Amino acid sequence: GQQVMQIPQYQHVQEGEDFTTYCNSSTTLSNIQWYKQRPGGHPVFLIQLVKSGEVKKQKRLTFQFGEAKKNSSLHITATQTTDVGTYFCAGPGSNTGKLIFGQGTTLQVKP
Amino acid sequence: NAGVTQTPKFQVLKTGQSMTLQCAQDMNHNSMYWYRQDPGMGLRLIYYSASEGTTDKGEVPNGYNVSRLNKREFSLRLESAAPSQTSVYFCASRGKGYDTQYFGPGTRLTVL
Repeated sequence: GQQVMQIPQYQHVQEGEDFTTYCNSSTTLSNIQWYKQRPGGHPVFLIQLVKSGEVKKQKRLTFQFGEAKKNSSLHITATQTTDVGTYFCAGPGSNTGKLIFGQGTTLQVKP
Repeated sequence: NAGVTQTPKFQVLKTGQSMTLQCAQDMNHNSMYWYRQDPGMGLRLIYYSASEGTTDKGEVPNGYNVSRLNKREFSLRLESAAPSQTSVYFCASRGKGYDTQYFGPGTRLTVL
């Protein structure tokens, strides 16, 4: 079945270092979404990318959607302790309305 | 506008006990979802409801039942809880024509 894979599973960085998580789908996606879950919290929608090759920025976060619409990345520049959490990518499943989530990348930031 | 609410926040059950997790949304969304989250496993879909009156199985439905009581409410029932059902349960909803899902705060369930 359709799968969305994310790497790495965990990342520890020193505050101020950059961080990147990668997402790959087994099928072409109509769009890809990113969510952030703070420790003890619930997933919160960050952004949706729709177009092939699309790049969007939110302050220090840069999101990219691959040309083939099968992969995506999230890059955080100069991490801060507020960036701590788990970042999930998700793409629409073959059945309307379902989202297939990656396993998530958990980011730890050492001050 | 509370978004998606879930009750209870925490629950401890003994093996074999039953319980119902409640979820409600006030965003007039058509679709609602139940996920479970376990360490290293991401979010796994248990059941979903595309619209009032319909429910469908997700990736891990065994041991669970659901009821879409009305457009606002979607409940998840554990008939005979097992330790393997110890997890964090999230309810989510989605508006018609959109892919973005909005999550509730979660229920942390422990089965002893």
